[in-house]
Amino acid sequence: GAVVSQHPSRVICKSGTSVKIECRSLDFQATTMFWYRQFPKQSLMLMATSNEGSKATYEQGVEKDKFLINHASLTLSTLTVTSAHPEDSSFYICSAIGASGLDEQFFGPGTRLTVL
Amino acid sequence: QQQVKQSPQSLIVQKGGISIINCAYENTAFDYFPWYQQFPGKGPALLIAIRPDVSEKKEGRFTISFNKSAKQFSLHIMDSQPGDSATYFCAASMAGKLIFGQGTELSVKP
Repeated sequence: GAVVSQHPSRVICKSGTSVKIECRSLDFQATTMFWYRQFPKQSLMLMATSNEGSKATYEQGVEKDKFLINHASLTLSTLTVTSAHPEDSSFYICSAIGASGLDEQFFGPGTRLTVL
Repeated sequence: QQQVKQSPQSLIVQKGGISIINCAYENTAFDYFPWYQQFPGKGPALLIAIRPDVSEKKEGRFTISFNKSAKQFSLHIMDSQPGDSATYFCAASMAGKLIFGQGTELSVKP
């Protein structure tokens, strides 16, 4: 099956700093990637949808200036949490859809962000 | 209208028993209904999925039952095993975007 990786798997940073999370499709070209946030014991909430070469589409309530998304190639999308604060601490998960356009999303293993 | 409601929140089943998780949706524009399994600290993994033109789909021990008129669908795990202990999420998709249910924490007792 298709594999999606995320890096780093865990990151701890100080309040006010920025953190970049990478999402890569390893064996397929991802025309669309999604970013989710998951708080402990809660469901996945879609943050934004990114298509290669175009601006990301953010869900209502997600600050686009705080969560910068770049989808520069068909295999890489990045999420940068700018000026992170403790309330941004969460599990961030990306997923990708291949060029076939079928509905199945392939999920990455997630990145645990802790902001001190 | 974009919500997917999932129940129960938690479920305890004996080994060998049947685990049943239910979901309901409102928006009839949803056209793809997957179920995901998630272990602690990991990303979700697709278990099984169904489209609204099919009433049932079975893959191994996992079965989705789909009731289009009632706008409900459920996951049945037959012969539940301790290794099935995880959190299960239903979801509904429209134009490629997934809306997740609240999740069910399943514990299978040996």
